[in-house]
Amino acid sequence: AQSVTQLGSHVSVSEGALVLLRCNYSSSVPPYLFWYVQYPNQGLQLLLKYTSAATLVKGINGFEAEFKKSETSFHLTKPSAHMSDAAEYFCAVSGGGSNYKLTFGKGTLLTVNP
Amino acid sequence: GAVVSQHPSWVICKSGTSVKIECRSLDFQATTMFWYRQFPKQSLMLMATSNEGSKATYEQGVEKDKFLINHASLTLSTLTVTSAHPEDSSFYICSGGAGVADTQYFGPGTRLTVL
Repeated sequence: AQSVTQLGSHVSVSEGALVLLRCNYSSSVPPYLFWYVQYPNQGLQLLLKYTSAATLVKGINGFEAEFKKSETSFHLTKPSAHMSDAAEYFCAVSGGGSNYKLTFGKGTLLTVNP
Repeated sequence: GAVVSQHPSWVICKSGTSVKIECRSLDFQATTMFWYRQFPKQSLMLMATSNEGSKATYEQGVEKDKFLINHASLTLSTLTVTSAHPEDSSFYICSGGAGVADTQYFGPGTRLTVL
């Protein structure tokens, strides 16, 4: 069984400030972890993924996430927020292998204030 | 990156009619496709998983006779909502698995409104 908890349904930051979106997971097998972004009325776009290689994963648009097994965390960060980063962010976990099933967190809405 | 398209992007239909939504992988072969449903301001709920040429596997609580899924080729899956009712109104999103590092690539979604 696997699950994802995203702490904070809504995060608000100022433009230029650090973005930190939290994700904790639970998995009975070594997990594959993902962050997706969703803009209003659109599908999901992959930001980055962890698949048991480097623990610090760099993604698109300046985002990165660090896999910490001891903390069962996979928090998403960006050093400097941009107005265009405002969107809903979803953390997801899968069991890897032939089991593609993704379990999503409830999402975190990021707003960026000018 | 891998691209998945959905058609239509939005549809309005009358209660009791059926609606078909297409999901296509444009530049890769999706051995597995997934269908999700998303309610306003909520997360994605997996409805079913389909493998090309096989029957779909539905999640608990999802009516397989109401939500018909066909995965006839490695690039096309369809979801048909039969005898749609207002409570079926939702945002439906498909995704395809390319078989590489278990990454799912998502379509842009289809907004279904049943009157």
